[in-house]
Amino acid sequence: QVHLQESGPRLVRASETLSLTCSVSAGSMTNYYWTWIRQPPGKGLEWIGYIFYNGVTNYNSSVKSRVTMLIDTSKNQFSLNLRSVTAADTAVYYCARGKFCSGGNCYWLDNWGQGALVTVSS
Amino acid sequence: SSELTQDPGVSVALGQTVRITCQGDSLRSYYATWYQQKPRQAPVIVMYHVNNRPSGIPDRFSASGSGNTASLTITGAQAEDEADYYCSSRDSSGRGVFGGGTKLTVL
Repeated sequence: QVHLQESGPRLVRASETLSLTCSVSAGSMTNYYWTWIRQPPGKGLEWIGYIFYNGVTNYNSSVKSRVTMLIDTSKNQFSLNLRSVTAADTAVYYCARGKFCSGGNCYWLDNWGQGALVTVSS
Repeated sequence: SSELTQDPGVSVALGQTVRITCQGDSLRSYYATWYQQKPRQAPVIVMYHVNNRPSGIPDRFSASGSGNTASLTITGAQAEDEADYYCSSRDSSGRGVFGGGTKLTVL
């Protein structure tokens, strides 16, 4: 069973960059879509984007101008950088392993990290 | 539009059947995935790709879809099924999208 773990600063100043790393254990990163999701306190889930094992990315248009995802398959890690954060970026950030079914008409996240609450301070 | 709409809250009597629905244009082209989230826990996938259950998910969970609507059905709801349920799909650009979530209360 693959295990994912988020790490990084839990407190970020407004206007600075939020940086998180997801470490993946017990599995290969090949052929998966490594995904970031966030959940503001008391609210629903928001899909941020994914990075494929070969480095191809796809981001939510709501954060596209501020986000960068990177992957290091030699270390079994991928990362999220979100620039110019505001209080609205305060959330629990989850990393997850994503897959598309053959034909591409479905997409799911079969393994999730436990989540990391990141608070943006003003 | 890639938005997915869910009822905010649904209740069911213990042992009865409940259906949680999700509506959106993307569901006409792409299948829904369903996640269960209990308080202070990460979401867990419960159904994917039409009607597939990951190992460990009880067979009282099932899913279906027609047109722009996807449904998650729990047949014989148990107390441990009380949770938030999120539908999810993809849009035409391959981006993920989540519904707003449905809070299931088991009475």
